Amino acid sequence: TQLLEQSPQFLSIQEGENLTVYCNSSSVFSSLQWYRQEPGEGPVLLVTVVTGGEVKKLKRLTFQFGDARKDSSLHITAAQTGDTGLYLCAGSESGAGSYQLTFGKGTKLSVIP
Amino acid sequence: NAGVTQTPKFQVLKTGQSMTLQCAQDMNHNSMYWYRQDPGMGLRLIYYSASEGTTDKGEVPNGYNVSRLNKREFSLRLESAAPSQTSVYFCASRKTTGGRGYTFGSGTRLTVV
Repeated sequence: TQLLEQSPQFLSIQEGENLTVYCNSSSVFSSLQWYRQEPGEGPVLLVTVVTGGEVKKLKRLTFQFGDARKDSSLHITAAQTGDTGLYLCAGSESGAGSYQLTFGKGTKLSVIP
Repeated sequence: NAGVTQTPKFQVLKTGQSMTLQCAQDMNHNSMYWYRQDPGMGLRLIYYSASEGTTDKGEVPNGYNVSRLNKREFSLRLESAAPSQTSVYFCASRKTTGGRGYTFGSGTRLTVV
């Protein structure tokens, strides 16, 4: 099983600040996804990255996939209280049987007004 | 669209009791999954079904069984519940061609006393 390590585990920031969370592995993934989960709900897909070095933007969120496809980052500009939640990265193994996603343990973000 | 529907949302069981968690998706997805989410452990795969008629074990299958009843429905059964199975259970589905993202249900919070 490929492992994904997320950092930091917890992050508390003021509204308007910028932040970056990281997702790292020693293994190569064919694709990597980011999800946001709010209390009492299931994770919701934010983005999928598949190409090494790829950068995707979703409004104030910027996602980057490492060149070697072993790591990814999520940068939030001018955080808002609505960004509060648990951010999960998940990687898909390449090759046959790539139906499973391996999830990191998540970064719990609190944005304080 | 309802997406992925899980029932029940909450359940309390006594040790040794059995129950079935139900999951249905209306997106015509081929693959379906059962995860459990525990504090500090992240999301761990219990069982998955890559397509109708097939099921496979994930990372933590012991104490569980599954049935892929048809393309829409994938149930998870606890034959003899144990306190270690206290968790939040999520069902997810995925279209195996084209899109790679999972769609999650809103979860079942199970407590075994």
